[in-house]
Formats: sequence, C-alpha cells, structure tokens
Amino acid sequence: DADVTQTPRNRITKTGKRIMLECSQTKGHDRMYWYRQDPGLGLRLIYYSFDVKDINKGEISDGYSVSRQAQAKFSLSLESAIPNQTALYFCATSVGVNYGYTFGSGTRLTVV
Amino acid sequence: QQQVKQSPQSLIVQKGGISIINCAYENTAFDYFPWYQQFPGKGPALLIAIRPDVSEKKEGRFTISFNKSAKQFSLHIMDSQPGDSATYFCAASPGGTSYGKLTFGQGTILTVHP
Repeated sequence: DADVTQTPRNRITKTGKRIMLECSQTKGHDRMYWYRQDPGLGLRLIYYSFDVKDINKGEISDGYSVSRQAQAKFSLSLESAIPNQTALYFCATSVGVNYGYTFGSGTRLTVV
Repeated sequence: QQQVKQSPQSLIVQKGGISIINCAYENTAFDYFPWYQQFPGKGPALLIAIRPDVSEKKEGRFTISFNKSAKQFSLHIMDSQPGDSATYFCAASPGGTSYGKLTFGQGTILTVHP
C-alpha cells in the first residue's frame, strides 16, 4: 500500500457541486498539505496542517476548505465547484525535523 | 506573487548531454532549497536538497549549485538519460514558524532523447 493515498484518482463533477478529496497516510507524519498543480504555475499551496488541531490557509485557499479528522487523514472540500478549479490536486506529508515531503499520486479533478 | 521563479519551462536534451534548470528566489528568509522530480501519473519525489551554507551539493549525476548573493540556485543533470525525462520542480522553505512549508517553482518538463 502507498504511504500517502489519495481518493478518488480521477473525478469529473459539475459546476456548483460539492466535492471532497480525501487523503490518508501511514507515514506517521504530523504535517499534511494540500497543493494544486496547474501547467506553467507549478505547485501552489492551498491549506496545511502541522497537527490535528492546527489548520492554516495557503496562498490560494479561496473556494476551498479542509478537515483534519485524525493525524492520518486530511480532506479537501470544494463547497461549490467552478471550472477554474479544474486541476491536479496533491496531498503531501512531512515530519517536523525532516524537510522532505512525501506526496500522494494525485487526484485529477475536472469541473464541467 | 511567485516567490520562486523557475526556467526554462521545457528543455530537450540529447542522451549523454547536460541538463540545466535554473531557479531564482526573492525571500531572503528561505534557508532550504530542494528539487523534486515528477514522473507522469505520480506525485513529486524529493531528488536532492541544499542549504545556503554550501555552494554545491552532488549526488550521483545530480548537482545543485547555489549562489546566495544572487539568490539563485540550479540543478545540473550530467550524462542525461531517457529515464531522466520528467518534470522537475525547485522549491524553497524558510525557517522559523513557517518551517517546512515549501514554495515551489513553475516546473520544467525535461525530455531526454535517446
């Protein structure tokens, strides 16, 4: 099993729908992140959490919300999806004293 | 507000050649500079990283060169191979309370022709 699992892998949804992307990890890492990847823009931080009770906005949090249900689970929600939220979404984890991130395999979201 | 600027956007190299990807940053609080490699259908994976107390770090065919005064760092891939074809991201992270929160560059799609 993968260290960081994202579900679903692919999703097509309609404008205005609510959608949740889920992330779970077996790394035991405290820190979890949601990034969005767009061609030519790289990876941009949406939200991050340094522990279960800590939630912080990233550079592009508008239109998104998150929930840290447990140390191992971090979900990203789009309350009312819009077409410009079509992108590849990645969850990542890290340890406080180790800078390396472990990424999931991503969720490709299409909003039509 | 792009705090880490990466170039080129795409790069084509012949097998055995040298691939060079450049990044520039603005935030002088950045003190950790990793490079990530991403293959199609996969998440990025840490390739190599450097701190500003050294000017160069080498791991196999991959070398990071760091110029603190110019606020620039680059990835050199020696003897490039078709298996190196991937998207490469530079990134940077500050210390202090923002510890471990990476800001990524725009990415470079590297194609190595056999």
